[in-house]
Amino acid sequence: QQPVQSPQAVILREGEDAVINCSSSKALYSVHWYRQKHGEAPVFLMILLKGGEQKGHEKISASFNEKKQQSSLYLTASQLSYSGTYFCGTPDQGAQKLVFGQGTRLTINP
Amino acid sequence: SAVISQKPSRDICQRGTSLTIQCQVDSQVTMMFWYRQQPGQSLTLIATANQGSEATYESGFVIDKFPISRPNLTFSTLTVSNMSPEDSSIYLCSVENRTNYGYTFGSGTRLTVV
Repeated sequence: QQPVQSPQAVILREGEDAVINCSSSKALYSVHWYRQKHGEAPVFLMILLKGGEQKGHEKISASFNEKKQQSSLYLTASQLSYSGTYFCGTPDQGAQKLVFGQGTRLTINP
Repeated sequence: SAVISQKPSRDICQRGTSLTIQCQVDSQVTMMFWYRQQPGQSLTLIATANQGSEATYESGFVIDKFPISRPNLTFSTLTVSNMSPEDSSIYLCSVENRTNYGYTFGSGTRLTVV
């Protein structure tokens, strides 16, 4: 079952912060985050493997609340290079295959 | 991380014909995944390809339409058969990285059916 992302789109000015949420109706054991720029393949950002885990990647970090079955991606002091569509992905029924959320389009303006 | 070479990068095909997409990985992997991404949409898994066995297809995708080959641990092909304009999409292969558990994607094949 496809995880649900919110918001669907965000428009920011450079330097502003953003939060992208990913939630599931079923138990989550891990959450992946990817960024896809226009015309390119998705690129892996990070994986969160257990509840309560937080990870950072430059000014991009994420949290995972296993009880609430949700994860959030935090982008602080956004840069123009952060523009793109962000996808969360969750393993389907414990298998290796990933099911992706519908995506959140992030636009950063100067 | 694994490096995937996918080709062709794009093609324009006539309806009723078939196109075979190739993915070559620079390391041996057990599973390869084939996704479809329609314009402005998310990624939808078509099938999982294991070496030495039949591919496992997701609901809504059938082998006659999307035959997959997996002759060894570094290579796979996806064929889009008897194409119609509705098959116009981006097709991507993907593998799991053993080092960080993330997934690496091929550069994608942008298919237009006319």
